[in-house]
Amino acid sequence: DARVTQTPRHKVTEMGQEVTMRCQPILGHNTVFWYRQTMMQGLELLAYFRNRAPLDDSGMPKDRFSAEMPDATLATLKIQPSEPRDSAVYFCASVTGGAYEQYFGPGTRLTVT
Amino acid sequence: GNSVTQMEGPVTLSEEAFLTINCTYTATGYPSLFWYVQYPGEGLQLLLKATKADDKGSNKGFEATYRKETTSFHLEKGSVQVSDSVVYFCALSGGTSYGKLTFGQGTILTVHP
Repeated sequence: DARVTQTPRHKVTEMGQEVTMRCQPILGHNTVFWYRQTMMQGLELLAYFRNRAPLDDSGMPKDRFSAEMPDATLATLKIQPSEPRDSAVYFCASVTGGAYEQYFGPGTRLTVT
Repeated sequence: GNSVTQMEGPVTLSEEAFLTINCTYTATGYPSLFWYVQYPGEGLQLLLKATKADDKGSNKGFEATYRKETTSFHLEKGSVQVSDSVVYFCALSGGTSYGKLTFGQGTILTVHP
């Protein structure tokens, strides 16, 4: 049963600390998305990659957020320095070319104090 | 830009009642439309989709018809069950089959026995 995996599932950190979230897309999926979910803003796209190349990161605060795909099996989202307003659930999703269904990971719940 | 508007929640129904969750959208071109569900503590899962006007998506007793003339994609089910008590998200992707999703704000459904 192929799934998107995300680590860590929960992260509590202090303001100013660096946070790295990891995502392993489903093998063979060539498009990877990062979404953020908050009560106030709902679900919003942060960035996405196709064939490991960044296609759109306009939803991401550039001064503190960065997203990369070092290889086809790993996507990372980094926040440095973290702020309390970054507290949210961060989801990774993947899809294969030509398909419609995005498969979501279970999310990383980030709390910045 | 693209946007999705869902009816305000939460929605509370008795078991076997008829369900409608309204969804309207604004998009350029010819978007694909989706309904996703979110179980507590988990990522989103695709419930159904429609990729062109007048298409009807259906799954597990749920249906939604892509109405271009009213820019709507309302979710319906004839007889809800307690197990349908989750959060429902309407979403669209513009253009390509594996494009980024724009989500509505989500509707919490609670079904009482």
